[in-house]
Amino acid sequence: SQQGEEDPQALSIQEGENATMNCSYKTSINNLQWYRQNSGRGLVHLILIRSNEREKHSGRLRVTLDTSKKSSSLLITASRAADTASYFCATDGAGSYQLTFGKGTKLSVIP
Amino acid sequence: DAGVIQSPRHEVTEMGQEVTLRCKPISGHDYLFWYRQTMMRGLELLIYFNNNVPIDDSGMPEDRFSAKMPNASFSTLKIQPSEPRDSAVYFCASTPWQGNEQFFGPGTRLTVL
Repeated sequence: SQQGEEDPQALSIQEGENATMNCSYKTSINNLQWYRQNSGRGLVHLILIRSNEREKHSGRLRVTLDTSKKSSSLLITASRAADTASYFCATDGAGSYQLTFGKGTKLSVIP
Repeated sequence: DAGVIQSPRHEVTEMGQEVTLRCKPISGHDYLFWYRQTMMRGLELLIYFNNNVPIDDSGMPEDRFSAKMPNASFSTLKIQPSEPRDSAVYFCASTPWQGNEQFFGPGTRLTVL
């Protein structure tokens, strides 16, 4: 079964707006990662947050992690048309470092 | 570094034929992963290797699928015989150590007619 599930499945916003995507998971984790996939391409790593961290920033990206709720969010500020892509969260469970991916959020940023 | 290299990028074959997908991981990366991506099931881990040794192949769908890693710079995923339901994009990824980000190849889009 999928460990991570993203919400919403699809999101359409105007350029310059912020985009927030959520991820929920079921079991204890070591790390949670976010990846981006442009159409027809492989996945690209964005950010990794460890289970003992609550928030992490990287450029226009902000990730939060709430282990009590088993959820994470990815915020992209001041979105650009180039941010149009699918975004996936991936978790590795306690005792296992294999990544399990959710089905992704498809983000469309309209110029 | 050129990143993870996969070949071919596209493969169209007929049901019953053997298909071999190839992957060259990033030099120095000890872990190699094979994933399959479909609209219905998303991204699924098929098998992963550590130092050329298969560690977990529980995601391999059935005996028609096999994977090898004869050396640190090359891995293959073979499907024999192929079926239309094997149509998907197959990704290879590598990482220098567990728990780190994974570096994905561009994928092989497989179509089985």
